Amino acid sequence: GAVVSQHPSRVICKSGTSVKIECRSLDFQATTMFWYRQFPKQSLMLMATSNEGSKATYEQGVEKDKFLINHASLTLSTLTVTSAHPEDSSFYICSADRSYGYTFGSGTRLTVV
Amino acid sequence: SQQGEEDPQALSIQEGENATMNCSYKTSINNLQWYRQNSGRGLVHLILIRSNEREKHSGRLRVTLDTSKKSSSLLITASRAADTASYFCATDYWASGSRLTFGEGTQLTVNP
Repeated sequence: GAVVSQHPSRVICKSGTSVKIECRSLDFQATTMFWYRQFPKQSLMLMATSNEGSKATYEQGVEKDKFLINHASLTLSTLTVTSAHPEDSSFYICSADRSYGYTFGSGTRLTVV
Repeated sequence: SQQGEEDPQALSIQEGENATMNCSYKTSINNLQWYRQNSGRGLVHLILIRSNEREKHSGRLRVTLDTSKKSSSLLITASRAADTASYFCATDYWASGSRLTFGEGTQLTVNP
């Protein structure tokens, strides 16, 4: 079945640094990927929609300059959290649309110290 | 933005019992899906039901959809300890593109 590989699974970084999270579609081409953020014991909040070869579409309230999304190929989308702060600590998950449902990456636990 | 509410927020049952989780949504939908999430992990797609369907089965899972009430239920029969996880419903609608809108989720604990 369709697999989305996301890494790293966990990352700890210092305040002020940037962190890049990658999502790769392993056996299919993903023209669109979605990036979500999930706080502990809460649901998933859509941050942005990543489109191959064009600019990402951000949800209201999400800072596009802080959360940089690049979808340079049909198999790779990246989310870079720039100048990370402790409040950016969260679980980030990507997903790709398939005809029978969505395939999700395994998530990245970001801790900013 | 979240449009769905799920109840109960938490459910604790014994192995072998059935677990029923409910989801309500606010807008029109094309499809409603149920996902499972183990703690700290990604989501696993369980089942998709289209807006013109009323019931769907997959193994021990049974999903119903009532578009007039804007609600869905997920029934897990003969639960196992391995079913312990969070369960989320998610909807999509053509006017929102391919975006999924998630419910708040139900934390299911199945005690051995």
